Amino acid sequence: KAGVTQTPRYLIKTRGQQVTLSCSPISGHRSVSWYQQTPGQGLQFLFEYFSETQRNKGNFPGRFSGRQFSNSRSEMNVSTLELGDSALYLCASSDTTGRRGGANVLTFGAGSRLTVL
Amino acid sequence: AQSVTQLDSHVSVSEGTPVLLRCNYSSSYSPSLFWYVQHPNKGLQLLLKYTSAATLVKGINGFEAEFKKSETSFHLTKPSAHMSDAAEYFCVVSDGDMRFGAGTRLTVKP
Repeated sequence: KAGVTQTPRYLIKTRGQQVTLSCSPISGHRSVSWYQQTPGQGLQFLFEYFSETQRNKGNFPGRFSGRQFSNSRSEMNVSTLELGDSALYLCASSDTTGRRGGANVLTFGAGSRLTVL
Repeated sequence: AQSVTQLDSHVSVSEGTPVLLRCNYSSSYSPSLFWYVQHPNKGLQLLLKYTSAATLVKGINGFEAEFKKSETSFHLTKPSAHMSDAAEYFCVVSDGDMRFGAGTRLTVKP
């Protein structure tokens, strides 16, 4: 069974630009969550989508947004990029039946490494 | 509110010696606890999870962890380290929302 696929794997942008990252979850998984990983802040939760609805959101500015499509694929967008947005962005999917968190196992993609110059 | 603390940011062991990565948590409820591993330039992979069944949990690659409620700990151990174990390890607590520890970098010396 195919794993979680994130595209692109690497990208370089300049300040002020915007970026869209894509995540294809494991087939049958309806929950997709996004994380930002940086050396200074570690892993930080961005948001979670379940059946096309944002179910939970972390403490990030409105420049960070996301959506989920009917096939469970998800995208996240960062507008007006800042140097501090340079990070590894990880997507994870889960076969949760609806309850947030709990014992749901997350399966992670390899991440999209964003560099902002 | 739940929180998780990984007590060591970096652990270095020699190949063939035991590994101990420490994790303490706090939670208002009976949490689920996880250990994930991240190799360089890769995503996180589940090692094991505790969900209120047996307190000693066995995971992949010879790792195991013991849930100790009285000590609010969930330390990860392995009897004999292998070079391929070198990676970053994350302890995770969940009682509705998942919270990740800061990570412990494990170095394995030949």
